[in-house]
Amino acid sequence: DAGITQSPRYKITETGRQVTLMCHQTWSHSYMFWYRQDLGHGLRLIYYSAAADITDKGEVPDGYVVSRSKTENFPLTLESATRSQTSVYFCASSAWGASYEQYFGPGTRLTVT
Amino acid sequence: EDQVTQSPEALRLQEGESSSLNCSYTVSGLRGLFWYRQDPGKGPEFLFTLYSAGEEKEKERLKATLTKKESFLHITAPKPEDSATYLCAVPWTTDSWGKLQFGAGTQVVVTP
Repeated sequence: DAGITQSPRYKITETGRQVTLMCHQTWSHSYMFWYRQDLGHGLRLIYYSAAADITDKGEVPDGYVVSRSKTENFPLTLESATRSQTSVYFCASSAWGASYEQYFGPGTRLTVT
Repeated sequence: EDQVTQSPEALRLQEGESSSLNCSYTVSGLRGLFWYRQDPGKGPEFLFTLYSAGEEKEKERLKATLTKKESFLHITAPKPEDSATYLCAVPWTTDSWGKLQFGAGTQVVVTP
């Protein structure tokens, strides 16, 4: 099906473990984004990518790593998970020339114990 | 520091009771203001783009307007299906296309 998907939808992990959240879009959108959403902070940009192999930091990048070898995939890795990274993570994508009109995935709820 | 502030934090309406949400911003050189809707447990959904003061956009019972310092989202004769959190966002002032700064949102509940 066309659209943007995230996996897993729910994840529980332990402090110190590495976790990778997956994001896949079928529109061939140039831009892709990772946000986290927390009560009291709203949506905050973690990383974004303007094209394959082009990534840049957002507002809260510490502790996260991204890569984008293919246009359609944009995985987010937590190298050593901490409790403060417990959050809901959203991936989004947008087309070239309409970068602010973003299409969001369903989210991944991550709990770090 | 650039800021996006939304008010009120929460709004409870009776079906048919019109109201307005506010989004104020302090960014300089605004390059657009964007409204999104978020249903519980889902990702935000794009609603409107506004680029210049005086501009208005409409979609069903929603109308968004923009001034030099703020934007309003008017909900006319709301229905229960309009219940959601409404988010506004502005681009970062640095020249980085696609980066958005979101407000905290206004949670709207419409009761029958």
